Amino acid sequence: DGGITQSPKYLFRKEGQNVTLSCEQNLNHDAMYWYRQDPGQGLRLIYYSQIVNDFQKGDIAEGYSVSREKKESFPLTVTSAQKNPTAFYLCASSREGYGFYEQYFGPGTRLTVT
Amino acid sequence: GIQVEQSPPDLILQEGANSTLRCNFSDSVNNLQWFHQNPWGQLINLFYIPSGTKQNGRLSATTVATERYSLLYISSSQTTDSGVYFCAGAYNNNDMRFGAGTRLTVKP
Repeated sequence: DGGITQSPKYLFRKEGQNVTLSCEQNLNHDAMYWYRQDPGQGLRLIYYSQIVNDFQKGDIAEGYSVSREKKESFPLTVTSAQKNPTAFYLCASSREGYGFYEQYFGPGTRLTVT
Repeated sequence: GIQVEQSPPDLILQEGANSTLRCNFSDSVNNLQWFHQNPWGQLINLFYIPSGTKQNGRLSATTVATERYSLLYISSSQTTDSGVYFCAGAYNNNDMRFGAGTRLTVKP
């Protein structure tokens, strides 16, 4: 089955720790994206990658880091510098690399930092 | 920055009713899309609709790019249509902006 997987579904961390969220796709899509969703709000773009070994900051990149070493994988690290890390994190991908075309989402990871 | 306004913010319908959801953009966007988020958080892409009209079963969407708005029509609503509907558009080819969503509840 083709799709996007995110793991884990729920993640709990202590304040001050870095944590890495996984995102894998087997759709052979060029572009991948990370979004953050807070309760009752829309999604906000954290980082995006339009091609392997390249990525760009989105609207709220501060306190986050990413890598894109393989086409299939786009992990997101939430660092201790992120002031309010507790949120629902969603990964997406799209076939074309440039232009934010039709996006498909993974099931998300709910991160709680205490 | 660009503002994306969705209306209404909340909508309650009886099963079988029709509805129209609206999305307004404060500036020109590209690659407008509509999504449905189910109660477990999964987002499903409903329409990729930069302009014109598309239909998929009971759902249809229309985007008038020159007037910076898009409409999502749901006909003969079912309880499984409940959830949050988001519109989103690409801005300056370096950002994707989402609205705050319309929360739809369909009662049996």
